[in-house]
Amino acid sequence: EAGVVQSPRYKIIEKKQPVAFWCNPISGHNTLYWYLQNLGQGPELLIRYENEEAVDDSQLPKDRFSAERLKGVDSTLKIQPAELGDSAVYLCASSLGFLGEKAFFGQGTRLTVV
Amino acid sequence: AQTVTQSQPEMSVQEAETVTLSCTYDTSESDYYLFWYKQPPSRQMILVIRQEAYKQQNATENRFSVNFQKAAKSFSLKISDSQLGDAAMYFCAYNSGYALNFGKGTSLLVTP
Repeated sequence: EAGVVQSPRYKIIEKKQPVAFWCNPISGHNTLYWYLQNLGQGPELLIRYENEEAVDDSQLPKDRFSAERLKGVDSTLKIQPAELGDSAVYLCASSLGFLGEKAFFGQGTRLTVV
Repeated sequence: AQTVTQSQPEMSVQEAETVTLSCTYDTSESDYYLFWYKQPPSRQMILVIRQEAYKQQNATENRFSVNFQKAAKSFSLKISDSQLGDAAMYFCAYNSGYALNFGKGTSLLVTP
């Protein structure tokens, strides 16, 4: 079974530039999560999708961050414009969505804003 | 809001020895799950073990076991017969039906 696939693995951009991350969840997983992980910290939820609907985006900085999950499968997270403080690891995860169901993570994208 | 606290930023254990990582959480929910995830330098979060709050029996997965104290809201991870490959960041996480809520992690060093 293929796992959660994320790309790119690394990205270096200049501040004020746009950047996008892509995630392909495990087949059949209705729930998709984007997490932000700062250095030395645990992951923090940015947004959660149930199929194509964003059911929890309360922690997403909507002035510069956006996300979409067309057709309820792949998802894209975008930052425009990027700031120095956005340097972090962006993790995508998916699950079947039931309470207590295991979440499977991708390898993340390490973003460096210079 | 639920909070997860890992009070040990770093722990060290000798190969073949046993180590226990601590985790406490705060919640008013009665139905929830607790998890331990391992994150090696590759960054991929790997599920180590899962505990259902309504089960009194502590979960066990091979060399990994938990000590779940519901009244004390404590959820520690015991790693027996530690191996060099166990070296990683370990995160305790809570889920009551929405998304995983993580602690700040404990860095585990395994020495030969």
